[in-house]
Amino acid sequence: AQSVTQLGSHVSVSEGALVLLRCNYSSSVPPYLFWYVQYPNQGLQLLLKYTTGATLVKGINGFEAEFKKSETSFHLTKPSAHMSDAAEYFCAVRTAGGNTPLVFGKGTRLSVIA
Amino acid sequence: EAQVTQNPRYLITVTGKKLTVTCSQNMNHEYMSWYRQDPGLGLRQIYYSMNVEVTDKGDVPEGYKVSRKEKRNFPLILESPSPNQTSLYFCASSLLAGPTPFFGPGTRLTVL
Repeated sequence: AQSVTQLGSHVSVSEGALVLLRCNYSSSVPPYLFWYVQYPNQGLQLLLKYTTGATLVKGINGFEAEFKKSETSFHLTKPSAHMSDAAEYFCAVRTAGGNTPLVFGKGTRLSVIA
Repeated sequence: EAQVTQNPRYLITVTGKKLTVTCSQNMNHEYMSWYRQDPGLGLRQIYYSMNVEVTDKGDVPEGYKVSRKEKRNFPLILESPSPNQTSLYFCASSLLAGPTPFFGPGTRLTVL
């Protein structure tokens, strides 16, 4: 069975600092990997995804993530945090090629301090 | 515009009063699913459907029913809601072999 672990339920960074949100997954077959963002009182917005090809994936709002198969990781980064990045972030995994569910991590709340 | 719609967006109800949350997609997707989101638990799958008349349980199906009579619609039914079903619910759809689910805007349900 697939699972996703997000390290840190709450991460605080200063404005302008590097954002690093960690995600590790377990999957017995090649995965599809996703990061979603949820702003307060809003729905889910897809930030970026890895399906095949280049392992460094660029998303919206300056975020990127790198699929590292050897480490079973898909960490989300942004070089310089902005106040508007404050939100909850979810990592999710889905088995490639199948009609399988999207399995979510428990989420990481990002706070940005001025 | 390709989208997944949910209705209602907000609902406050009382214990035991049957309710239905509708979900509709206009992308001809075979795969549809329902998730609930609770603080500290992320999103967990309730039920899913791979096509018309084909449904199956997800991780947290107790207290819920679904049906898939048409490809575009996948309603979530709570026959006797209880306070522990107070949650934020998301419907999602995707192609059967496609990687990326499309999510609806969410339905915030409060059961008193």
